[in-house]
Amino acid sequence: DAGVTQSPTHLIKTRGQQVTLRCSPKSGHDTVSWYQQALGQGPQFIFQYYEEEERQRGNFPDRFSGHQFPNYSSELNVNALLLGDSALYLCASSFTGWSNQPQHFGDGTRLSIL
Amino acid sequence: DQQVKQNSPSLSVQEGRISILNCDYTNSMFDYFLWYKKYPAEGPTFLISISSIKDKNEDGRFTVFLNKSAKHLSLHIVPSQPGDSAVYFCAASEDGKLIFGQGTTLQVKP
Repeated sequence: DAGVTQSPTHLIKTRGQQVTLRCSPKSGHDTVSWYQQALGQGPQFIFQYYEEEERQRGNFPDRFSGHQFPNYSSELNVNALLLGDSALYLCASSFTGWSNQPQHFGDGTRLSIL
Repeated sequence: DQQVKQNSPSLSVQEGRISILNCDYTNSMFDYFLWYKKYPAEGPTFLISISSIKDKNEDGRFTVFLNKSAKHLSLHIVPSQPGDSAVYFCAASEDGKLIFGQGTTLQVKP
């Protein structure tokens, strides 16, 4: 039973570029959430997708956008990259049908902006 | 304004003893709390959770306690093992999104 998988594992970009990160949820899960984790901090919620729509959004600018596909996989897009966007980006999946279910995380994509 | 706080950045305990990790929160609307463990170069791994209608949940060596009046939760690990050395995050659920503390680095010495 595959868990949450993310690609790529590492990425180096320069300021102003655009990036797309990918996530496949755990089997049986239908909801995908994205988090940004800066060094020495806890993960910060970016947004959550369910039924191919953005259901909730954290305090992140519009440069951060996402998409969910019919197979529940998801993409995170970041435009006009800034040095401050350097972080570990984590994807988490869960099943919405039951309340109070834990989110399960992938190993993340380490994004470095030069 | 941090809604979930872990005030101890690090904790060191001897193998076999109890590890107690603490977490405080400010929002009384949180209804579900979780603990995650994170090793370097890996994503957070779910450990244990507790609903706000309970005050204790146990799973093997791990027990989470919730004190709603004090807005405080704690994770007890008994007995601690060297493999437990990792960063531990508490998180609170608000409408399905998780709000994390800053993490506590636990070192279990052999």
